[in-house]
Amino acid sequence: DIVLTQTPLSSPVTLGQPASISCRSSQSLAHNNGNTYLSWLQQRPGQPPRLLIYNIYKRFSGVPDRFSGSGAGTDFTLKISRVEPEDVGVYYCMQTTQLPYTFGQGTKLEIK
Amino acid sequence: QVQLQESGPGLVKPSGTLSLTCAVSGASISSSNWWNWVRQPPGEGLEWIGEIYIDGSTNYNPSLKSRVTMSVDKSKNQFSLKMTSVTAADTAFYYCARATSDWFDPWGQGTLVTVSS
Repeated sequence: DIVLTQTPLSSPVTLGQPASISCRSSQSLAHNNGNTYLSWLQQRPGQPPRLLIYNIYKRFSGVPDRFSGSGAGTDFTLKISRVEPEDVGVYYCMQTTQLPYTFGQGTKLEIK
Repeated sequence: QVQLQESGPGLVKPSGTLSLTCAVSGASISSSNWWNWVRQPPGEGLEWIGEIYIDGSTNYNPSLKSRVTMSVDKSKNQFSLKMTSVTAADTAFYYCARATSDWFDPWGQGTLVTVSS
């Protein structure tokens, strides 16, 4: 199975300041069709996961542009340019390049 | 707007069978998507259980494969999960989700299943 390792596991951030989460894969997530199936999900307290980013950097419909994704191969990053109160929650990276699909352990974003 | 809603017993006895259904609205389950189950023990991370396509093709997580069966009911526009021989370790929120070729969305609200006598 592909192992996704997220850092940090907890991120205290000041409102209005940037935040960054790293996701490292145990093997390349580049599919042989040329796509890379790495997504980022947000889970607010008491809510189901919500898709933010797919295919490394593509923002899903309705996702604010303060969220951005980058990376390639085995190293990926989610950035929030200016953290807002509604961004509190746990963020997961997820790969659907290879079965079984797997998730990172999650990074808890909290306000300082 | 596509919506998914999980339903099923919230309490299952150890060694029993967990049975959940995911009702799909706003889209046909016969569309070209894979229909997935993901679970999350309270306070823990996400684990992919498996997926099913409209033609009945399935992919299961090898860690659960021996205990999991998924099915689709086109007439009711829903799909289902059965997990046998459950233990306390199977206590979790169970989510259903639609998967396109690129993403998982939407997700259901989730349902908590507790395994306890």
